[in-house]
Amino acid sequence: AQTVTQSQPEMSVQEAETVTLSCTYDTSENNYYLFWYKQPPSRQMILVIRQEAYKQQNATENRFSVNFQKAAKSFSLKISDSQLGDTAMYFCAFMKHVPTGTASKLTFGTGTRLQVTL
Amino acid sequence: NAGVTQTPKFRVLKTGQSMTLLCAQDMNHEYMYWYRQDPGMGLRLIHYSVGEGTTAKGEVPDGYNVSRLKKQNFLLGLESAAPSQTSVYFCASSEPRRDWNTEAFFGQGTRLTVV
Repeated sequence: AQTVTQSQPEMSVQEAETVTLSCTYDTSENNYYLFWYKQPPSRQMILVIRQEAYKQQNATENRFSVNFQKAAKSFSLKISDSQLGDTAMYFCAFMKHVPTGTASKLTFGTGTRLQVTL
Repeated sequence: NAGVTQTPKFRVLKTGQSMTLLCAQDMNHEYMYWYRQDPGMGLRLIHYSVGEGTTAKGEVPDGYNVSRLKKQNFLLGLESAAPSQTSVYFCASSEPRRDWNTEAFFGQGTRLTVV
């Protein structure tokens, strides 16, 4: 079974600054995917960024980037130029690659609540 | 394009009552899931479906039943609600590919309180 650990329950960052959210995971799988989801106060789960384990290059999406360390089983999220709208709960999630016909289930961490302040 | 829609958004039940949560997706996704979110515990998988007419148990299935009679709909039922089922429920869908798996797309959640 896979486990995902987010060791920072809460974090705070000032607007325009950079913040890094930590995530570690435990798995015996070699082929898998990692995700960061954002959950603002509206409760909607929004995909922020995705990383395929077979890709060595770290994924980036505008102000969001990851530091994927496969050997260390670490998957941190860096938010640059933080904005007030980034205030949300952030969840790290793991999904192993499965053959077609088998559900690709997500395993979530417990989340990090990020507050962006003026 | 609505994506994944959950009905209702809020509900209060008395212990022992029953109810059904409806999830509808318009992306023609094959896979659908029900998760529950509790404080400090992240999201946990209740049941899932890999196609019309199929269902399977997830991590925390006790006290819930599901049905997938149509590809676009996935129903979650509580036969006899208990206070321990107070939670926020999320439906999600995804689409399998031959060489990779898509991410899950989530509904907006249903906040259920059992008193």
